[in-house]
Amino acid sequence: DQQVKQNSPSLSVQEGRISILNCDYTNSMFDYFLWYKKYPAEGPTFLISISSIKDKNEDGRFTVFLNKSAKHLSLHIVPSQPGDSAVYFCAANWSGNTGKLIFGQGTTLQVKP
Amino acid sequence: DTGVSQDPRHKITKRGQNVTFRCDPISEHNRLYWYRQTLGQGPEFLTYFQNEAQLEKSRLLSDRFSAERPKGSFSTLEIQRTEQGDSAMYLCASSLGWQGGSDYTFGSGTRLTVV
Repeated sequence: DQQVKQNSPSLSVQEGRISILNCDYTNSMFDYFLWYKKYPAEGPTFLISISSIKDKNEDGRFTVFLNKSAKHLSLHIVPSQPGDSAVYFCAANWSGNTGKLIFGQGTTLQVKP
Repeated sequence: DTGVSQDPRHKITKRGQNVTFRCDPISEHNRLYWYRQTLGQGPEFLTYFQNEAQLEKSRLLSDRFSAERPKGSFSTLEIQRTEQGDSAMYLCASSLGWQGGSDYTFGSGTRLTVV
């Protein structure tokens, strides 16, 4: 039962353009969402998060949008840079949970120079 | 501090053998987590510790799997009687308390191949 889904396994974008990575979830209890970035041979690293009380959170080139009614979130990277090429994981958390995250399958982003 | 260390980086084992992995968290972190990542999937939660206490275990952690954190510092994950389906990347993470997951620091993982 995949509660967090990233339906696009890969995405290729030209340098300088916008990258949009999508994530859907099924569990209405989820109320906190995170994006992690993973380079080859390294562990995932935290990128940005959003609480369900917000619909947008911005950090530099990275913006996460949350649409609760659609159970959908997206990560926008503007402008995309070659160093952004990595696997991006969406993850979910919920009130009362004190220790684990539910991850999506990941999307591999390639930013071409 | 060099972050979260996992040892070994790679392990190839024959089906039916036992394997043990080690995770050394960031020294001041009281929480330690184990995840498993199979090809094309995201990390799946296995278990986590607060200090030496194992607070939650996933149903993925069958009776062939056991994790310990005896002194609240490093942790070991043992898999007994390995099966080919155990082939995966085993990731360890640590944190100081719980901030919703944004404070996880992951190690680079141990890649297990069961042949």
